[in-house]
Amino acid sequence: GAVVSQHPSWVICKSGTSVKIECRSLDFQATTMFWYRQFPKQSLMLMATSNEGSKATYEQGVEKDKFLINHASLTLSTLTVTSAHPEDSSFYICSARDREGAGNTIYFGEGSWLTVV
Amino acid sequence: GNSVTQMEGPVTLSEEAFLTINCTYTATGYPSLFWYVQYPGEGLQLLLKATKADDKGSNKGFEATYRKETTSFHLEKGSVQVSDSAVYFCALRSYNQGGKLIFGQGTELSVKP
Repeated sequence: GAVVSQHPSWVICKSGTSVKIECRSLDFQATTMFWYRQFPKQSLMLMATSNEGSKATYEQGVEKDKFLINHASLTLSTLTVTSAHPEDSSFYICSARDREGAGNTIYFGEGSWLTVV
Repeated sequence: GNSVTQMEGPVTLSEEAFLTINCTYTATGYPSLFWYVQYPGEGLQLLLKATKADDKGSNKGFEATYRKETTSFHLEKGSVQVSDSAVYFCALRSYNQGGKLIFGQGTELSVKP
């Protein structure tokens, strides 16, 4: 079945550095990918919608200059957390829409745990 | 705007007990409704879905019926197992909002042997 791969699964970085998280659709083309953030014991918060070849659409309250999203191909989107701070520590999940699949199915990656120290 | 409200957790049940997790939604148009499950340390998995009123989604013994008149999509299972312990998210997707998923706050389920 369709698989969405996120990398890395776990990352620890120093405060002030940048970290990149990749989201790949492994066996389908994804014109649209979504990035979510989840705080412990809380729901998923949509951060941005990424369309291949165009600028991402950010949700209200999400800093576009801090959370850089690139969707350069139909199988890859990246989220870069710039100048990370401890409050950016969270679980980040991407999802991808299979444009060929029935009902435009959305598949989720397994998530990436970011810890900023 | 569109929103989803779930019953608060955590929910603690004994094995073989009956499970209901309430979910209600607010949306314009005719959204599709979903239940996702997140097992400890894993990502989200689609559990079941319903795309129109009165549809019943089912999977792994779980069921949910799309009730437009009560704007609800309650998740039920007749006999839970320890392996069902997870966080369950109700979600809706409305194409008039670009097809993005709107999630409820999640309900943690803990099943004791």
